Amino acid sequence: QVHLQQSGPGLVKPSQTLSLTCAISGDSVSSDSAAWNWLRQSPSRGLEWLGRTYFRSKWYNDYAVSVKGRIIIDPDISKNQFSLQLTSVTPDDTAVYYCSREWKAVSGLDYWGQGTLVTVSS
Amino acid sequence: DIVMTQSPLSLPVTPGEPASISCRSSQSLRQSTGYNYLAWYLQKPGQSPKLLIYLGSNRASGVPDRFSGSGSGTDFTLKISRVEAEDVGIYYCMQALQAPRTFGQGTKLEIK
Repeated sequence: QVHLQQSGPGLVKPSQTLSLTCAISGDSVSSDSAAWNWLRQSPSRGLEWLGRTYFRSKWYNDYAVSVKGRIIIDPDISKNQFSLQLTSVTPDDTAVYYCSREWKAVSGLDYWGQGTLVTVSS
Repeated sequence: DIVMTQSPLSLPVTPGEPASISCRSSQSLRQSTGYNYLAWYLQKPGQSPKLLIYLGSNRASGVPDRFSGSGSGTDFTLKISRVEAEDVGIYYCMQALQAPRTFGQGTKLEIK
């Protein structure tokens, strides 16, 4: 059974960097059959996919255009986790953030973290 | 980006009655393999979304057989044969054909 445990601050000041971590149990961040995603949800944006990291002989990343240039999703093999960094945040980045696994054979996000409400406010 | 459009956005249903949600994509989600890269999720109040259906018509592990997915290309449907009280929440479709993954606006199912 796969479990994703999110951690990180719930309050970030404008212009600073939002940082969240997703610890994986029951699978490996280096699996060649999974992709590790970050998404967010807010009343104004609905469910929004932000990006993913995955390993297929080498590491790949894909990012949403809406956050490209501000986002980094990084795997940490030693800790079996992956992280989200979103720089230069504004109040518009206030949302519930989720990490999730996409399993290749399923082509769906089959496991999700518990969600983290991140508020951008001074 | 592929645009996903759901209807209706609100769905009041009497327990025991069937329910149906439509999802349309701005381009075909069917690949030459025959698979349709469309997934359905249910988000219950206060919870993370849960995968119900993948590849258009396959139920995820543990999903009751009253849930079924159908459709191909650009038109898809999620059906609940007999709605139960525990089915309340917001249903989303998502295309898994290409990055970025994109979602429908959501359909809120409520019990009459």
